[in-house]
Amino acid sequence: DIQMTQSPSSLSASEGDSVTITCRASQNIRSNLNWYQQRPGKAPKLLISGAFSVESGVPSRFTGIGAGTHFTLTITALQPEDFASYYCQQSFSSPFSFGGGTTLEIK
Amino acid sequence: EAHLEESGGGLVQPGGSLRLSCSASDFAFNTYWMHWVRQAPGKGLVWVSHIKYDGTNANYADSVKGRFTISRDNADNTLYLQINSLTPEDTGVYYCARGWEVLDLWGQGTTVTVSS
Repeated sequence: DIQMTQSPSSLSASEGDSVTITCRASQNIRSNLNWYQQRPGKAPKLLISGAFSVESGVPSRFTGIGAGTHFTLTITALQPEDFASYYCQQSFSSPFSFGGGTTLEIK
Repeated sequence: EAHLEESGGGLVQPGGSLRLSCSASDFAFNTYWMHWVRQAPGKGLVWVSHIKYDGTNANYADSVKGRFTISRDNADNTLYLQINSLTPEDTGVYYCARGWEVLDLWGQGTTVTVSS
């Protein structure tokens, strides 16, 4: 099974800052990497699929890059609604494992 | 607008069983793979299971294999998860989600609490 490792597990930042979250796969998953946002008490929401394809309606301040085993999600010019938890998920092979998550908190 | 709504959660004793349901609306349910994902209190997302659009193929996480059974009724646009031999470690919110491997639509979740 493929293991997904996210870092950091938590992150503090201020509105307007830029942050980067890293996700590493235990084996080559090509570009089969997706990012989800989860606000407290809410269901997850798909942000980015295929490592870099931003979903319709997602602001352009969200950017995903990477391939193989190393991926990043960058959020620029943080807005209040961006303070949430973020998860990567590999869709290369079943079981479609998630990373442990990154909680982005207001500094 | 496409929508998923889970139901069937509740408080159950260790060793008990539950059947979770996920009702789909406003999209072609019978053309999508469907998933269950769970989240223990204060923890991350864990993929549980998925089922092919016609119900002929299903896979499970190792942690639930043999205890959980995913199924679907395409005539009724409903996804199910039968969960047996529950332990406290199965406590959490259970989400259904749509997609082959990219989960592009999620329900709001149903809460399962396993406690004596």
